Amino acid sequence: AQKITQTQPGMFVQEKEAVTLDCTYDTSDPSYGLFWYKQPSSGEMIFLIYQGSYDQQNATEGRYSLNFQKARKSANLVISASQLGDSAMYFCAMREGRGSNYKLTFGKGTLLTVNP
Amino acid sequence: DAGVIQSPRHEVTEMGQEVTLRCKPISGHNSLFWYRQTMMRGLELLIYFNNNVPIDDSGMPEDRFSAKMPNASFSTLKIQPSEPRDSAVYFCASSSLGREVQPQHFGDGTRLSIL
Repeated sequence: AQKITQTQPGMFVQEKEAVTLDCTYDTSDPSYGLFWYKQPSSGEMIFLIYQGSYDQQNATEGRYSLNFQKARKSANLVISASQLGDSAMYFCAMREGRGSNYKLTFGKGTLLTVNP
Repeated sequence: DAGVIQSPRHEVTEMGQEVTLRCKPISGHNSLFWYRQTMMRGLELLIYFNNNVPIDDSGMPEDRFSAKMPNASFSTLKIQPSEPRDSAVYFCASSSLGREVQPQHFGDGTRLSIL
């Protein structure tokens, strides 16, 4: 079974609107972390935001926020006020366990296109 | 502050040749990761090191792949002999170990084409 599922291969949004990218995860470990990365067409991987399983509040970083619903095992990325430069591939990733075991498992990604 | 530096950015070579990819992690980071990205399989972890010691190499596809980290500021991923199916983008990432979870910071990747 996939540990990270991103059900939207592609998404379109109008400039200045908000968009939600879905991510669901599967783990039995009580301690885990969820990450979102952005990969523009130039290819680099850019860290956006992190949510820990014990964090009480949803993570926010500028225009990015994470809608964390633990019972549903979902960690959706919300981008507010979309900009043309937000067009990119977005990956959700999960780290399980604690300590020095720091492996990330990535989803297949969602390709976001921001239209002018 | 310099990010993760990978070289070369692009590599084109014929099958059977040895390929060496290089990575310099962010100074002060003590975890280093090698990933491979393909259209079919997405982003896969090949191997990672903590404090220069290989921790998990279960993602290394076969014995043709090897990785070393001789010191805290340098790592190599070697493919010998290379095959066309090894064509992919290879990323190196680094992070710091600690009580708080730190994100992995990625290099720009090496785009490898095996003819």
